[in-house]
Parts: sequence; C-alpha cells; structure tokens
Amino acid sequence: ERVMTQSPATLYVSPGERATLSCRASQTVSSDLAWYQQKPGQAPRLLIYGASTRATGIPARFSGSGSGTEFTLTISSLQSEDFAVYYCHQYYYWPLTFGPGTKVDIK
Amino acid sequence: QVQLVESGGGVVQPGRSLRLSCAASGFTFNSYAVHWVRQAPGKGLEWVAVISYNTIDKKYADSVKGRFTISRDNSKNTLYLQMNSLKTDDTAVYYCARAPVMSDGMDVWGQGTTVTVSS
Repeated sequence: ERVMTQSPATLYVSPGERATLSCRASQTVSSDLAWYQQKPGQAPRLLIYGASTRATGIPARFSGSGSGTEFTLTISSLQSEDFAVYYCHQYYYWPLTFGPGTKVDIK
Repeated sequence: QVQLVESGGGVVQPGRSLRLSCAASGFTFNSYAVHWVRQAPGKGLEWVAVISYNTIDKKYADSVKGRFTISRDNSKNTLYLQMNSLKTDDTAVYYCARAPVMSDGMDVWGQGTTVTVSS
C-alpha cells in the first residue's frame, strides 16, 4: 500500500498570502496524484490531477507540482473561499489512498 | 447538469446489511468508472471500491473486501454498493464519484449519504 502523508496538518495563512502544502508518498506514485479541496459539510472537489493539471473551472491561483514521492500544492494568493481542508490522493497503485489532509486556516 | 445523487443511507445494527445507490444524470454514465469513497465522522477520506465503465473490473479496499459489493446498472444510470456484515467502523458519509478511468482523479462527486452502524 502507498501510504500518503501531508504536512503541515494545519497551515495558518492570511488572505492574499501564498500557501504551500506538501504531500509525500511512501513509494513512487509517478505523476498519478490528485489534490482535492473539501469545505465543511460539502463533498470534495477535484483541483489538480496528473500532479500538475488543473481540473475544469479551477482558478489559476492553484498549481501542483512534483513527481515520484514528493508533491506540492501551491495557492498563490489565498482568497476567503480557499480556507478548507486539502487532500492528496494517489491512483498509481491499488488500493487507492488519500493523505490525512491539511487544513488551511485563517491567520 | 452533471450530477451524482446518493441514497440509501440510514441507521443499521452491526451485522446487518444495507444497499446504497448513486443516480447519475447529465453525462454518459456508461463511459465512466465510478468509485465509492467514505468519510468517518471528523476523519479523512477513505477509498472503498471502484467499478469500470463496463462492469468487468472491480477493486476493493481491504477493509471491505468480502463484505461489500459494488455494481452498476448502465441502463438505469445507477451505481450500487451492497454492504453486508456491517461493523461500527463502517459508520461514515459515503460518496460516489466518477472518474474517466479507474485510475484517475475523481472529477464529479455526489453530496454523500450517511451510514450509521450502531446497536
């Protein structure tokens, strides 16, 4: 099983600032990595797939990078609607696995 | 619009069964793989199962293998999850989510249905 870890658990950021979230896989997942955003009481929303491709309708302030075992989600200038929990997810190897999430909170 | 709507959740005793449904609309259902993903109260996301667009291929998480069965009826645009021998650890919100192929990002999610396993 590919174990996914995310850091930090909570990230405190002021609106307008840059946020950098990390995701690490226990073994390579190539570029088969997605990022999701989840707000309280809502379903997750796909932000990034293929490690760096933005999903349809996702603003350009969201970007993904990395391959192999190290990945990053960057939000260039946080908007109020971006405060949420972010999960990484690998679909390279069965069983599919998610990271534990990073909560982006207001500083 | 493109939509997935889950139903069938509820409160059930340990050891009993429950069947969840996920109705798709607004897209060509039989062109997509579909997953079940769950989220226990206050916890993160856990992948449960996936079925290919043509029903031939199915995969399960170890935690549900042998107890849960995923299926779909493409003529009804509906996905199912038959859950048997339920445990308290199965308590969660269950989401269905589509993906272009089985190994890909999940680009459309339902709103979830809540399953509570309790005596």
